[in-house]
Amino acid sequence: EPEVTQTPSHQVTQMGQEVILRCVPISNHLYFYWYRQILGQKVEFLVSFYNNEISEKSEIFDDQFSVERPDGSNFTLKIRSTKLEDSAMYFCASSESPQGNIQYFGAGTRLSVL
Amino acid sequence: AQKITQTQPGMFVQEKEAVTLDCTYDTSDPSYGLFWYKQPSSGEMIFLIYQGSYDQQNATEGRYSLNFQKARKSANLVISASQLGDSAMYFCAMSGFLNSGYSTLTFGKGTMLLVSP
Repeated sequence: EPEVTQTPSHQVTQMGQEVILRCVPISNHLYFYWYRQILGQKVEFLVSFYNNEISEKSEIFDDQFSVERPDGSNFTLKIRSTKLEDSAMYFCASSESPQGNIQYFGAGTRLSVL
Repeated sequence: AQKITQTQPGMFVQEKEAVTLDCTYDTSDPSYGLFWYKQPSSGEMIFLIYQGSYDQQNATEGRYSLNFQKARKSANLVISASQLGDSAMYFCAMSGFLNSGYSTLTFGKGTMLLVSP
């Protein structure tokens, strides 16, 4: 069964460092998303991406965040200068279409900022 | 703005019994989708079931069924014949449309389900 793949599963970084979280969406999906879950809290939407551009972003997704689809398969989330409060589980998701279609999630990357 | 409310922080059920996890929602969108996801202790988010706002029948997927009551704005998840492996956090979520017309998911706070032998 096709699945969304995220790497690494756990990333530890020092405050102020840049990190790149990687995702390989399901191959025939065209819509990609990043969500964040701070430990013990609910999952929060960060950004959606379609046709090589951001289609929607939340207020959490400020200038320190960026997304990119560098090739035909990868979808990345970059955090330029990490802060302690960026420590969270980051989920990538993909769907065939944006309208009510099922979003399939990857296993997540746990980011720990020290 | 959309809102999902899950009022049960934790639920306990014995193996082989049925359990209902509550979810209520609020939206002004005429068209929306309702989802349930399972998050085991390992952390991944597993899609369980989907209900469209215009679907006439309640969704079912194996042991999972969604009790959709549109007038009450509720979308409860029913798990029949609980198994030990069902112990996990369960999130109710709703798809909706922000300014651009593209869908995002809004999640509730989750319900922790513990299944005992």
